[in-house]
Amino acid sequence: KAGVTQTPRYLIKTRGQQVTLSCSPISGHRSVSWYQQTPGQGLQFLFEYFSETQRNKGNFPGRFSGRQFSNSRSEMNVSTLELGDSALYLCASSLATLAGVLGTDTQYFGPGTRLTVL
Amino acid sequence: AQTVTQSQPEMSVQEAETVTLSCTYDTSENNYYLFWYKQPPSRQMILVIRQEAYKQQNATENRFSVNFQKAAKSFSLKISDSQLGDTAMYFCAYDQTGANNLFFGTGTRLTVIP
Repeated sequence: KAGVTQTPRYLIKTRGQQVTLSCSPISGHRSVSWYQQTPGQGLQFLFEYFSETQRNKGNFPGRFSGRQFSNSRSEMNVSTLELGDSALYLCASSLATLAGVLGTDTQYFGPGTRLTVL
Repeated sequence: AQTVTQSQPEMSVQEAETVTLSCTYDTSENNYYLFWYKQPPSRQMILVIRQEAYKQQNATENRFSVNFQKAAKSFSLKISDSQLGDTAMYFCAYDQTGANNLFFGTGTRLTVIP
């Protein structure tokens, strides 16, 4: 079974631009979560989508948004980029049934997208 | 709010030896998961082991085992017979059941010395 894939792997943008990152979960996984990793702040949760609905959101400004499609693929968008948005953006998928059945909530990560804002 | 603390920023171990990485967490919840992930230089986050809070038995995966002390809110990782490929950043993480919102510690950089 193929793992979580993220595209693009590397991205260079300038301040003020916007960017869209894509994530394809493991086949059959319905939940997709996004994380930002920086040297200063470490790993921080951005948001989680399940069945095309955002269920959970971290403490990030509204410039960060996302969506999930019917095939569970997800995109995240960052508008009006700032230098501080430079980071590794990680996507993770899990089975995550509606009932939250124990044993299905392990998240598996993709390789990440390295975003550099100049 | 949930917090995860890893008090050892860096550790090293000789190849074939055993090393233990520490992690403590704070939560008021009763049902949750705990995880150890490793992140090698490739930056790919790889699941090492997980523990369900309702299970008293400590999880084991080959050379990796945990010591889960629920009352003390402690979750340490023991790596036996350390191998060069174990060199990586190790993150302890907490997830409330069904939330899919991992809270990570700051990580422990482990170096296996040949």
